[in-house]
Amino acid sequence: GQQLNQSPQSMFIQEGEDVSMNCTSSSIFNTWLWYKQDPGEGPVLLIALYKAGELTSNGRLTAQFGITRKDSFLNISASIPSDVGIYFCAGPPPGNNRKLIWGLGTSLAVNP
Amino acid sequence: EAQVTQNPRYLITVTGKKLTVTCSQNMNHEYMSWYRQDPGLGLRQIYYSMNVEVTDKGDVPEGYKVSRKEKRNFPLILESPSPNQTSLYFCASSPFFSGRLDTQYFGPGTRLTVL
Repeated sequence: GQQLNQSPQSMFIQEGEDVSMNCTSSSIFNTWLWYKQDPGEGPVLLIALYKAGELTSNGRLTAQFGITRKDSFLNISASIPSDVGIYFCAGPPPGNNRKLIWGLGTSLAVNP
Repeated sequence: EAQVTQNPRYLITVTGKKLTVTCSQNMNHEYMSWYRQDPGLGLRQIYYSMNVEVTDKGDVPEGYKVSRKEKRNFPLILESPSPNQTSLYFCASSPFFSGRLDTQYFGPGTRLTVL
């Protein structure tokens, strides 16, 4: 089935570093969602993007809706240990607003 | 507190023994969904429901059943579990405002092992 491609697959960084990850699709998406899954818990929505070119922040997190509508980016500034987890991108596939397509996630580890 | 609850959180069972994982939400959401999460495969949708008595297959429905008799509850039924259904299962709900499915609220997960 259709899938979103997330990269990198995993990251191991030092506390205080900035983080960048992205999500790409072969199809145009009208909505991009970024979720975070803490260890042992369910995913939680971080940022939702609805317009091409949109840039939205949530604290130290900033996400952008790519102008081609086939990609999205998530940046985390000045990482801290509680940023550890898996970051997923997701979006409703073209022509179907009843389900979400998910990326496989970017696993982030932060060394204090 | 607004939440999605799942029970049990952990379950070890044997092949062929029918089981039900319950899911309940207290947010009056129309949309509910079940996912399974496996290493390297991400989140895959099993079934979803747009409202009471309305259910549809997701990407991996084989071996599962669901029902939506009440708005708040969406149980997942494994009639004859097999080892390949060993996984981490998540229930989620969404208000589905204006035909938009984005803010899904996830339960804490059920870790199922089928021996």
